[in-house]
Amino acid sequence: KAGVTQTPRYLIKTRGQQVTLSCSPISGHRSVSWYQQTPGQGLQFLFEYFSETQRNKGNFPGRFSGRQFSNSRSEMNVSTLELGDSALYLCASSLVYRFVDRGPYGYTFGSGTRLTVV
Amino acid sequence: AQKITQTQPGMFVQEKEAVTLDCTYDTSDQSYGLFWYKQPSSGEMIFLIYQGSYDEQNATEGRYSLNFQKARKSANLVISASQLGDSAMYFCAMREPRKTSYDKVIFGPGTSLSVIP
Repeated sequence: KAGVTQTPRYLIKTRGQQVTLSCSPISGHRSVSWYQQTPGQGLQFLFEYFSETQRNKGNFPGRFSGRQFSNSRSEMNVSTLELGDSALYLCASSLVYRFVDRGPYGYTFGSGTRLTVV
Repeated sequence: AQKITQTQPGMFVQEKEAVTLDCTYDTSDQSYGLFWYKQPSSGEMIFLIYQGSYDEQNATEGRYSLNFQKARKSANLVISASQLGDSAMYFCAMREPRKTSYDKVIFGPGTSLSVIP
């Protein structure tokens, strides 16, 4: 079955612009989460959506936003881009969004979108 | 504040040998989940294994096992019979559920593992 698809793979934007990244989860997965990875800050959690509702959010400014559609596809938007937003943005999908108890569920990640802000 | 420590920035292991990647975490919660991910040089993240804080048995997934020592707040990843394809960055992560606010999700800085033929 198809994996998690992120588009585009690479993107170059200018400071001050806005950008929209897309993530299509594995068929049947209803949870989509987003992560930012930079050499300086490492991996950081952005937000998580389940059934079109934001269920979880990391510590990022309001310029970072997202949404999920009825088909579980998700988009994240970054407005007023800054140089520090240059990063690899990873999307992951899973069947459920919260599992502290043992379960067979795991996350499947996409290949990421490499965003460069110049 | 919650924190994940991975004290080994880089490690080498001989092919077919076992290797342990260290992870310690800091939390005051009783309920949390621990994860390990693998990131090859190609960039994609691969979920490896999960351990819930209430699980009494160590999690295992094929060649991966998690050595969970709750009192020491340690969740080391053990890879048995290393393969060349195991060369990658490995990240330990923790998720703390919250009933009235957002869950906390944090990652460690990662350990770079190189498998030598």
